Amino acid sequence: AQSVSQHNHHVILSEAASLELGCNYSYGGTVNLFWYVQYPGQHLQLLLKYFSGDPLVKGIKGFEAEFIKSKFSFNLRKPSVQWSDTAEYFCGGGYQKVTFGTGTKLQVIP
Amino acid sequence: EAGVTQFPSHSVIEKGQTVTLRCDPISGHDNLYWYRRVMGKEIKFLLHFVKESKQDESGMPNNRFLAERTGGTYSTLKVQPAELEDSGVYFCASSQGGLRTGELFFGEGSRLTVL
Repeated sequence: AQSVSQHNHHVILSEAASLELGCNYSYGGTVNLFWYVQYPGQHLQLLLKYFSGDPLVKGIKGFEAEFIKSKFSFNLRKPSVQWSDTAEYFCGGGYQKVTFGTGTKLQVIP
Repeated sequence: EAGVTQFPSHSVIEKGQTVTLRCDPISGHDNLYWYRRVMGKEIKFLLHFVKESKQDESGMPNNRFLAERTGGTYSTLKVQPAELEDSGVYFCASSQGGLRTGELFFGEGSRLTVL
């Protein structure tokens, strides 16, 4: 069965700190990987996605993620966070449907 | 372009009652998904429609849940009778093609509270 796990449930950072959120998946075969974000009071929206090709994927708002097949990981990174990045982040993966992790709440302190 | 809309945004019902949630996908999106999030846990897949057909309903918890998508447009998810453990946020998402060709567009969710 496919599964996605996120290691950090709640992360608190100061503005300008670097961010890395962990995500591991378990699949056989073709895998599509995603990071979604939910800002307070808003709907889930896509940050970035990986289907194939370059394992380093760049998304919106300066986020990037690296697909490391040998580690079954797809960690999300941002070099310098802003207060506006305060949100909940969800890693997901799948082929016909997306299986999500439990989410990571990021709080950025000004 | 209008996004995915869900009704109601919040519903409070008593155990044993019936609730129907509605999702209007983005126009032209053949794929429609229902997800549920119980507080603090993962966003769990419930089912997937392609037009009016159920492509995958492996995530539906039990036969108290009934999803329909008549005519391949909007979808409803009925819970009858509701139990306490059904409380959570029900998300609907739509996509134009499959996952390889696009992304999921989510609605804001319908929060269900069963007392």
